[in-house]
Amino acid sequence: GAGVSQSPSNKVTEKGKDVELRCDPISGHTALYWYRQRLGQGLEFLIYFQGNSAPDKSGLPSDRFSAERTGESVSTLTIQRTQQEDSAVYLCASRYNRGSYEQYFGPGTRLTVT
Amino acid sequence: AQSVAQPEDQVNVAEGNPLTVKCTYSVSGNPYLFWYVQYPNRGLQFLLKYITGDNLVKGSYGFEAEFNKSQTSFHLKKPSALVSDSALYFCAVSPNFNKFYFGSGTKLNVKP
Repeated sequence: GAGVSQSPSNKVTEKGKDVELRCDPISGHTALYWYRQRLGQGLEFLIYFQGNSAPDKSGLPSDRFSAERTGESVSTLTIQRTQQEDSAVYLCASRYNRGSYEQYFGPGTRLTVT
Repeated sequence: AQSVAQPEDQVNVAEGNPLTVKCTYSVSGNPYLFWYVQYPNRGLQFLLKYITGDNLVKGSYGFEAEFNKSQTSFHLKKPSALVSDSALYFCAVSPNFNKFYFGSGTKLNVKP
């Protein structure tokens, strides 16, 4: 079956521009996570969606970052007025909520802000 | 503050020898513990988890991990390393499945 997909795989943008990253979770997975991975560092939690509940946004680093998810489908992470420190790999993961603890990760979007 | 520490950036081991990749955490309550592996040019893959029960848990590819509550540690182990085990390993901890805290990763190098 299809895994988690993310698009684009690579994105180069100029400082100050807005970018939108997309995540398609595995069908039936109610939980969805976004992470940021800076070069040589671990994963930094950004946001968590669970079904139709209010998302946990506690990891978003600033109000330039926002994310949406409609029901249990696609999610988009938007970064406004990008800064060079936003350069990183953005990872999405999904999880089947009932009795499963394993997150399935997408391949990531590598964002470079010039 | 909640945190996960992987004190070794890199672990080198000869093929056939046992390996240990260390992880300690500072997360409130009784968190759930995980190990993930990242092979070059591939996404993170789940290896194993501790939720409750026996302190020694077994996972994929012959890996196991030992939970030590008093030391708040969850070290990854394998009795006999393979060259194909060379990868980047991440420890992750979650208090409630809403939020996951990841360590900075340990690069495992297995030499033939």
